[in-house]
Amino acid sequence: GAVVSQHPSRVICKSGTSVKIECRSLDFQATTMFWYRQFPKQSLMLMATSNEGSKATYEQGVEKDKFLINHASLTLSTLTVTSAHPEDSSFYICSARFSGDSYEQYFGPGTRLTVT
Amino acid sequence: GQNIDQPTEMTATEGAIVQINCTYQTSGFNGLFWYQQHAGEAPTFLSYNVLDGLEEKGRFSSFLSRSKGYSYLLLKELQMKDSASYLCAPMDSNYQLIWGAGTKLIIKP
Repeated sequence: GAVVSQHPSRVICKSGTSVKIECRSLDFQATTMFWYRQFPKQSLMLMATSNEGSKATYEQGVEKDKFLINHASLTLSTLTVTSAHPEDSSFYICSARFSGDSYEQYFGPGTRLTVT
Repeated sequence: GQNIDQPTEMTATEGAIVQINCTYQTSGFNGLFWYQQHAGEAPTFLSYNVLDGLEEKGRFSSFLSRSKGYSYLLLKELQMKDSASYLCAPMDSNYQLIWGAGTKLIIKP
């Protein structure tokens, strides 16, 4: 159990366009979802935390107008990278957890974004 | 501040045992996770320690000493597929995971 999916797994887009990434918890209700970004050979960087039905909490330095997060239901969160630039190229990973657990985060497989 | 310290890279031989150490400093503490991450993939859960002591799970064991801010991951009977990065991630008082850069483990035949 506790499976998280992400779609798409890879996306290439042109500079200036927007890209939406979906994160779904398939067999549980996720009270909290997290969005991370990881550059090669670097640690996971938390971008934002979102709880269902409320606004996401963004980490310092992450532009909320550029990285739009919507957590509309207990099984779906979306990250939209608006007006993407080549420096936004990265590995984006979502995770989800449900309350009453050991606070383990279940990770999606990640989305490789390349902006040309 | 919050800080994680792990070796950047370790090398071990197939069939051997390796111990990956982690020291941490966090604002509050609510347990510590170890994750495995293969190149180009998302992390996968290995273990969770919240009390002091050793937790054994098959070939992998994890140890925690809260008073020392120290944990280690022990991998036995190493296999080539164990080549990956191993991430030590303590959880702070807000139940946020604190991530370091991880330890890249290279297994040689």
